[in-house]
Amino acid sequence: AQSVTQLDSQVPVFEEAPVELRCNYSSSVSVYLFWYVQYPNQGLQLLLKYLSGSTLVKGINGFEAEFNKSQTSFHLRKPSVHISDTAEYFCAVSLARGSQGNLIFGKGTKLSVKP
Amino acid sequence: GAGVSQTPSNKVTEKGKYVELRCDPISGHTALYWYRQSLGQGPEFLIYFQGTGAADDSGLPNDRFFAVRPEGSVSTLKIQRTERGDSAVYLCASSPSYGHSTDTQYFGPGTRLTVL
Repeated sequence: AQSVTQLDSQVPVFEEAPVELRCNYSSSVSVYLFWYVQYPNQGLQLLLKYLSGSTLVKGINGFEAEFNKSQTSFHLRKPSVHISDTAEYFCAVSLARGSQGNLIFGKGTKLSVKP
Repeated sequence: GAGVSQTPSNKVTEKGKYVELRCDPISGHTALYWYRQSLGQGPEFLIYFQGTGAADDSGLPNDRFFAVRPEGSVSTLKIQRTERGDSAVYLCASSPSYGHSTDTQYFGPGTRLTVL
């Protein structure tokens, strides 16, 4: 079975500071990796995804993530955060084969950006 | 264009009652997913539709839960004899293709179900 662990439930950070949201996964088979963001009172929105190729993936709003197969990690980073980045962030995986695309999510990390 | 919509946005019901939750996917999207998000948890997969048929219902917790998508667009999640443990946000997502793991899923805002 596959699982996703987001190591921090809450991350407070000051505006313009860098941030890293950690994600580790467990799977015996190949997976695709995703980061979704949920702003207050809105639906989940895709930030970025890793399917294959370059392990550094760039997404929307200045976010990027790096796939590390040996560490089974997919940490999300932004060099300088804004107040508007305050939201909950979810890491997810789907099976590369034998799946209908259903996502397995972590518990989420609440990012709080303070002025 | 219009995104995924879900109605109602909030539903309060009493234990033992029957509820229906509706999802309108993005026009033309063939794949439709239902997830359930309990407080403090990430979304958990319930069921996947490929067109009109339920291709994978392995996430439905028990036989009180059922979902349909009769014309391949709108889907309804039905819960019989609701229990307090069913209280959660129910999320719907659609994607353009038939269940490709590489596809982006587009999520609706969810229906918050509260069972008293």
